[in-house]
Amino acid sequence: NAGVMQNPRHLVRRRGQEARLRCSPMKGHSHVYWYRQLPEEGLKFMVYLQKENIIDESGMPKERFSAEFPKEGPSILRIQQVVRGDSAAYFCASVVDRGTDTQYFGPGTRLTVL
Amino acid sequence: QQQVKQSPQSLIVQKGGISIINCAYENTAFDYFPWYQQFPGKGPALLIAIRPDVSEKKEGRFTISFNKSAKQFSLHIMDSQPGDSATYFCAASGGSNYKLTFGKGTLLTVNP
Repeated sequence: NAGVMQNPRHLVRRRGQEARLRCSPMKGHSHVYWYRQLPEEGLKFMVYLQKENIIDESGMPKERFSAEFPKEGPSILRIQQVVRGDSAAYFCASVVDRGTDTQYFGPGTRLTVL
Repeated sequence: QQQVKQSPQSLIVQKGGISIINCAYENTAFDYFPWYQQFPGKGPALLIAIRPDVSEKKEGRFTISFNKSAKQFSLHIMDSQPGDSATYFCAASGGSNYKLTFGKGTLLTVNP
């Protein structure tokens, strides 16, 4: 029973490039959360999605960041025109359904912006 | 505004000792309080969780104590082992979206 999968595990981008982070939830899970972890910090909520719908994006920066969870395929967190301050570990977590409290986390994508 | 405050920032315990990590929250709408364990380079893994209708929950060597009136909860690790060395995060959520608000984490080192 595969857990939450994220790829790539490590991503290096130069300032101004785009970063695409992918998250495949656990089998049977239809909702995903994205969190960002800065060095020496706890995780910070970014966005909550179900398939084809953004439920809560209150934690997303207003510019350059977007997220989607299409009907088919993984959830994508997209960061345009990356800056050094975007360097962080990005985690997704999946739940079986809305209103379920137990979140299962993936291994994360560590983004480094040069 | 930090809604979940966690202490201490780091903790060193001898093998066999008790590790205690504390968290305090501000938002009275929170109704789910999980603890996550994270090893370097890995994602957080759910360790144990509690709801405010009970004051204590125990699973093996791990116990959560919850004080609703004080808005505090803590993790106790009994008979701490070197393999418990990791970063521990408390978290809280409430409302229909269940998004987690995390503390800043505690780096636990258990010496052999």
